[in-house]
Amino acid sequence: AQKVTQAQTEISVVEKEDVTLDCVYETRDTTYYLFWYKQPPSGELVFLIRRNSFDEQNEISGRYSWNFQKSTSSFNFTITASQVVDSAVYFCALSPSWGNSGGSNYKLTFGKGTLLTVNP
Amino acid sequence: NAGVTQTPKFRVLKTGQSMTLLCAQDMNHEYMYWYRQDPGMGLRLIHYSVGEGTTAKGEVPDGYNVSRLKKQNFLLGLESAAPSQTSVYFCASSLREFHGELFFGEGSRLTVL
Repeated sequence: AQKVTQAQTEISVVEKEDVTLDCVYETRDTTYYLFWYKQPPSGELVFLIRRNSFDEQNEISGRYSWNFQKSTSSFNFTITASQVVDSAVYFCALSPSWGNSGGSNYKLTFGKGTLLTVNP
Repeated sequence: NAGVTQTPKFRVLKTGQSMTLLCAQDMNHEYMYWYRQDPGMGLRLIHYSVGEGTTAKGEVPDGYNVSRLKKQNFLLGLESAAPSQTSVYFCASSLREFHGELFFGEGSRLTVL
């Protein structure tokens, strides 16, 4: 069974602070994908990143960075110099890789989300 | 480019009434999904489809039916609505090769009284 845990229900920071959102996952699959999604107040979910379990290199995209550590089953997300526009609910998610899913029995498991509020 | 469009955006039903949510995507995606989002529960998969004419159950399929008669459309039906089905419903689609990279619609808020 797959499980994604986002222990932080809510986080509040002041603009320009750095903030890290934690994600811990459980899976029996040897290969899998990890994701982060953003849900701003408007409601629509937006895909941010996909990481293959083969690739443990950290990734940076502007003010966003992701730290994938297979040894601790974690895929944490850091926002540097946070801005008010970063205020949103952030979801971590997990899916089996194509081969493990059998090509059709696919399932993306979401965590319960972390509400990030960035105050001016 | 509209992406994923859901209709209606809002609906209020009485217990026992039926309704259908329509999802349309114009990206030629093979996979389509229906999720529900409830406070403190995150997103839970109701049903999904890996191609035209095929559907499969997700985590919470009871009380819902789906159909995918055309590749671009995925319908979610409630035959006899219950208050427990009050939720925000999201449709999403993806390419087969990138099945975790979902494109979401704006959501449909359903209230069952």
